[in-house]
Amino acid sequence: GAVVSQHPSRVICKSGTSVKIECRSLDFQATTMFWYRQFPKQSLMLMATSNEGSKATYEQGVEKDKFLINHASLTLSTLTVTSAHPEDSSFYICSARDPGQGGHGYTFGSGTRLTVV
Amino acid sequence: AQSVTQLGSHVSVSEGALVLLRCNYSSSVPPYLFWYVQYPNQGLQLLLKYTSAATLVKGINGFEAEFKKSETSFHLTKPSAHMSDAAEYFCAVSDNGGFKTIFGAGTRLFVKA
Repeated sequence: GAVVSQHPSRVICKSGTSVKIECRSLDFQATTMFWYRQFPKQSLMLMATSNEGSKATYEQGVEKDKFLINHASLTLSTLTVTSAHPEDSSFYICSARDPGQGGHGYTFGSGTRLTVV
Repeated sequence: AQSVTQLGSHVSVSEGALVLLRCNYSSSVPPYLFWYVQYPNQGLQLLLKYTSAATLVKGINGFEAEFKKSETSFHLTKPSAHMSDAAEYFCAVSDNGGFKTIFGAGTRLFVKA
């Protein structure tokens, strides 16, 4: 089946620095990818929809300048957390529409645990 | 607008017992419904999905779910729980364009020996 690779799986950074998270579709092309944030013991909250070759669509309340999304190719989307602060510590997960599921299914990355100290 | 409500943030069953995780949805258009499982510090794995075909959907690991339009429900069941089933389960809904997926709050399943 379709595989989405997310890297890194864990990252610890100092407050004020920026962190980039990569999401790659390994064996299929993903024109659309999604970025979610998950707080401990909570559900996934959609942050933004990443569209290849165009600007990302952000959900209400998500700071565009804080969470920079780039989808420069059909297999790679990146999320950069800029000037990270401890409150940005969270589990970030990407997903892509899985063409093998007729467009009605999504394959998720394994997630990135971000800790800002 | 679409939404999902999962009844019970925690469910505890004994090994070998029936697993029932409840999910109710709200959608103004015919929904597509999904159940995902998440193990600690991992992404989500699709268990099964309903996309307007058969109302009883069979998934992986012995799970199944039944779409009941009259009850706006999509409950997840498994006849006999295994220890390895202990995880977080998310019910999700999307519209027939399959674009945005809205997740429920999740239900943590505990399996007792």
